[in-house]
Amino acid sequence: DIQMTQSPSSVSASVGDRVTITCRASQGISSWLAWYQQKPGKAPKLLIYAASSLQSGVPSRFSGSGSGTDFTLTISSLQPEDFATYYCQQANTFPLTFGGGTKVEIK
Amino acid sequence: QVQLQQWGAGLLKPSETLSLTCAVYGGSFSDYYWMWIRQPPGKGLEWIGEISHSGSTNYNPSLKSRVTISGDTSKNQFSLKLNSATAADTAVYYCARGSGRGILDYWGQGTLVTVSS
Repeated sequence: DIQMTQSPSSVSASVGDRVTITCRASQGISSWLAWYQQKPGKAPKLLIYAASSLQSGVPSRFSGSGSGTDFTLTISSLQPEDFATYYCQQANTFPLTFGGGTKVEIK
Repeated sequence: QVQLQQWGAGLLKPSETLSLTCAVYGGSFSDYYWMWIRQPPGKGLEWIGEISHSGSTNYNPSLKSRVTISGDTSKNQFSLKLNSATAADTAVYYCARGSGRGILDYWGQGTLVTVSS
């Protein structure tokens, strides 16, 4: 299985801050990477697919980059509704696998 | 607007079979893959498997011996069965639509399944 490692596991930030989350794959996955946001008690929500494509309806402050093994999710200016847990997911090889998650908390 | 509505038993005894169903509303059942994912309490996400509209399946090898995913195109529904359940199967189970290559763009509301004697 391809292992997905996210860092940091948690980050404390203030409204307006720029937040960057990284995801590393144990082997190359081209650009077959997605990012999800999950709030407590809710299903994950797709933010980014194909490493850098913004899902319809997702604010432009979210962006993704990377290819191969190293990927980044950036929130350019953190908003109150962005406090949540974020997961990366590789879609290159079965079984699909997720990172361990990054919790974005209020500072 | 695509909606996924899921249901099934929330409390099982060890060795029983977990059974969940997901209905798809507002969109085509064809041209997509239909998936199950689970999340143990306080933990991360685990992909269980998928079924295409034509009935072909892919499963996570870690669960393959116990999992069956089936579909009913006449009802726009798909189902998950996981046999020989143990406490380790306690989790919130989600159904989701796979759009394109492994992209989960619509999710069900989740069902907490607890396995306990």
